[in-house]
Amino acid sequence: EAQVTQNPRYLITVTGKKLTVTCSQNMNHEYMSWYRQDPGLGLRQIYYSMNVEVTDKGDVPEGYKVSRKEKRNFPLILESPSPNQTSLYFCASRRGTSGSGTDTQYFGPGTRLTVL
Amino acid sequence: AQSVTQLGSHVSVSEGALVLLRCNYSSSVPPYLFWYVQYPNQGLQLLLKYTSAATLVKGINGFEAEFKKSETSFHLTKPSAHMSDAAEYFCALRLSGGYNKLIFGAGTRLAVHP
Repeated sequence: EAQVTQNPRYLITVTGKKLTVTCSQNMNHEYMSWYRQDPGLGLRQIYYSMNVEVTDKGDVPEGYKVSRKEKRNFPLILESPSPNQTSLYFCASRRGTSGSGTDTQYFGPGTRLTVL
Repeated sequence: AQSVTQLGSHVSVSEGALVLLRCNYSSSVPPYLFWYVQYPNQGLQLLLKYTSAATLVKGINGFEAEFKKSETSFHLTKPSAHMSDAAEYFCALRLSGGYNKLIFGAGTRLAVHP
């Protein structure tokens, strides 16, 4: 089954404790991205990756890091989480440059992060 | 700058009534437009997409949307609401011409009451 998976689904942590949210897709997609969802703001892009070892900032990258060492995985790293990073996070993937602009973007189930 | 505006953060309808969720966009180049649905505790699922092939687009679960360039709108409709339609709906655009980024509206939460 084609899917995007994220782990963990729920995470409660404390300020300053480094964490990683994993994301994996099994569709051989080139393009992957991370979004955060906040009430009244919709989804905002944090980082994206066009392919292995190619990443770039989205609209709200501060406080986040990413890496793309393998095509299928795109982890999101919070080196020193703060309460304003409490949010719902989604990983997404689509075919990317080998496809067309109309390709569907597939989303993971989300990770609800609370930073105390 | 590109943007998506969804009018009404909350919409409430009776079961069997028409569903109308509004989406207006601003884009410097012809856009591709999408509607996604998010059920509680789930990720986003594509409902339908406009790819310039036809202005009236039919999607899953009986939803459809019409692209109106003159009004820069892409409103989502369903003739008869069902209780299972209660969810949050997001309109999004992607610029044509090789762009990858999806720009989302703030979302509209649809409530369906008996």
